Amino acid sequence: EAEVAQSPRYKITEKSQAVAFWCDPISGHATLYWYRQILGQGPELLVQFQDESVVDDSQLPKDRFSAERLKGVDSTLKIQPAELGDSAMYLCASSLQGVNSPLHFGNGTRLTVT
Amino acid sequence: QQQVKQSPQSLIVQKGGISIINCAYENTAFDYFPWYQQFPGKGPALLIAIRPDVSEKKEGRFTISFNKSAKQFSLHIMDSQPGDSATYFCAAKSNSNSGYALNFGKGTSLLVTP
Repeated sequence: EAEVAQSPRYKITEKSQAVAFWCDPISGHATLYWYRQILGQGPELLVQFQDESVVDDSQLPKDRFSAERLKGVDSTLKIQPAELGDSAMYLCASSLQGVNSPLHFGNGTRLTVT
Repeated sequence: QQQVKQSPQSLIVQKGGISIINCAYENTAFDYFPWYQQFPGKGPALLIAIRPDVSEKKEGRFTISFNKSAKQFSLHIMDSQPGDSATYFCAAKSNSNSGYALNFGKGTSLLVTP
């Protein structure tokens, strides 16, 4: 079964440093999401792409976070500078275009900011 | 702002018992209600989903009950097994112009004892 690929699996960085996460969605999935999951909480949407266009980035802290999906396939999420409160699991998900197409999640990148 | 409220936070059930997790929402525009299962170190995976035009949906040992007037829905796991031990998230979304992103509850940690 096709999977959403994410890397790295784990990332430890010092505060004020830059960090980037990469996601490769399931082939053919036009919609891509980045979610943040704080330990013990549910995932919260950061940004949603439809092909290469941003559909919703209302919850993305744009002063330090950026996301791109240049060719409408894989995507990168960047944090600069990282803060202690950014420690969380960053999950990428993808879905086919369609109102109730199920989301398929990757296994995430666990970020620890020291 | 938590748009989907989930309870209980944690649940311990004996093998063979019934696990019940409840969720409530306020936004009447929500029209799709999935449940996700997450094992440690993994991303959430779709378990079962329901639309508000039906009151119940069953897939194997998993059943969603939906009460539109009360704006509540629940997950029932019949004949619970140790392998069901995981974190369960309810979610909801509306097909608004802002996109089709899911709003997740905070999760329920289920432990099924032998």
